[in-house]
Amino acid sequence: DSGVTQTPKHLITATGQRVTLRCSPRSGDLSVYWYQQSLDQGLQFLIQYYNGEERAKGNILERFSAQQFPDLHSELNLSSLELGDSALYFCASSPLNSTIDNEQFFGPGTRLTVL
Amino acid sequence: DQQVKQNSPSLSVQEGRISILNCDYTNSMFDYFLWYKKYPAEGPTFLISISSIKDKNEDGRFTVFLNKSAKHLSLHIVPSQPGDSAVYFCAATVSGTYKYIFGTGTRLKVLA
Repeated sequence: DSGVTQTPKHLITATGQRVTLRCSPRSGDLSVYWYQQSLDQGLQFLIQYYNGEERAKGNILERFSAQQFPDLHSELNLSSLELGDSALYFCASSPLNSTIDNEQFFGPGTRLTVL
Repeated sequence: DQQVKQNSPSLSVQEGRISILNCDYTNSMFDYFLWYKKYPAEGPTFLISISSIKDKNEDGRFTVFLNKSAKHLSLHIVPSQPGDSAVYFCAATVSGTYKYIFGTGTRLKVLA
């Protein structure tokens, strides 16, 4: 158990809908990262927050948005869903605002299926 | 543009032998590399990392080698155990950019 929790575990929805994925980082970790893993793909970095502020953006679509709240939990909002958005979405947390010597701890993921 | 490539989608190795997982990268600015292991239905877990100022880092059964001139790194697991069966991802980053670039993973199967 990494200490990172993600809810829900599974989500099935229809095209055009909007969903919210939630992540609670490890106690004390200030950085939260979101990743997307599509079938047979590596983890695609989406976005990073540090202590409530956006710090880095990766290949995140405009239909997607995220935020980190004062209690440090984070939410990833996916809207106007398309079939291709079906994927595993991982959240990771780390204590620092750095990628060097800063291990990321991953949650178990949310599997999103868009029908 | 896949900046981090794991060209072998799968690998099978006998228990007790050496497993070698390979990773190539294209971005010469990468200065920190990591390996993660992922079991089904779980998130990836950190295994080992290496800074670009080193060419080798060892942690128990796991050793990572970095060849900067070839833009290549490899993870050696010796001896391999059935519990090592998982998907292994390599990742790279540029210090100060706050993001990792992951490869597509190699599925390792260690046969008892």
